[in-house]
Amino acid sequence: ETGVTQSPTHLIKTRGQQVTLRCSSQSGHNTVSWYQQALGQGPQFIFQYYREEENGRGNFPPRFSGLQFPNYSSELNVNALELDDSALYLCASSFEQSSYNEQFFGPGTRLTVL
Amino acid sequence: QKEVEQDPGPLSVPEGAIVSLNCTYSNSAFQYFMWYRQYSRKGPELLMYTYSSGNKEDGRFTAQVDKSSKYISLFIRDSQPSDSATYLCAMTPYNTDKLIFGTGTRLQVFP
Repeated sequence: ETGVTQSPTHLIKTRGQQVTLRCSSQSGHNTVSWYQQALGQGPQFIFQYYREEENGRGNFPPRFSGLQFPNYSSELNVNALELDDSALYLCASSFEQSSYNEQFFGPGTRLTVL
Repeated sequence: QKEVEQDPGPLSVPEGAIVSLNCTYSNSAFQYFMWYRQYSRKGPELLMYTYSSGNKEDGRFTAQVDKSSKYISLFIRDSQPSDSATYLCAMTPYNTDKLIFGTGTRLQVFP
């Protein structure tokens, strides 16, 4: 059983640029959630995708957007990068979207915005 | 005020000590309570989850929930150097699996 994978591992961008981060969910999982973890902080929920539809969004501006593909892999896109977007971006997959399902996290993509 | 408060530490203890990690929360709608462990440069890994008030034990780990006080704890018995990591509490309201995390407590267990 393959776990959650994310690419790239590290990324350096400059202010104003755009970035795309990718996530492959664990086999059999149809729900993907994205989190932002700033240094020294806990992860913050960005949004969730369930069967290719956005299903819940945290307190993030519209320049954070996403996609989920038919194979349930997902992308997180961030436009007009700001210095404060520097963080570890975590993807988590789970089976179904209901009261509680264990979310399995990937290793994250570390984004640095200069 | 944050929905979930957690002391960031760091907490440094000798090997074999009992470790107590705690979180408080303000939202009475939270129904599921989780503890994650995060090693450096890794994603969080679920250690335990509980639904109701009371204790839940798994090996050296015990999770405790007190909904009346809005307080949760994780106890680690016979701590080992391999337990050195950041411990994150997380919670979700009923009928959603959007995780609300605490800041995380950095634990170091020295030999």
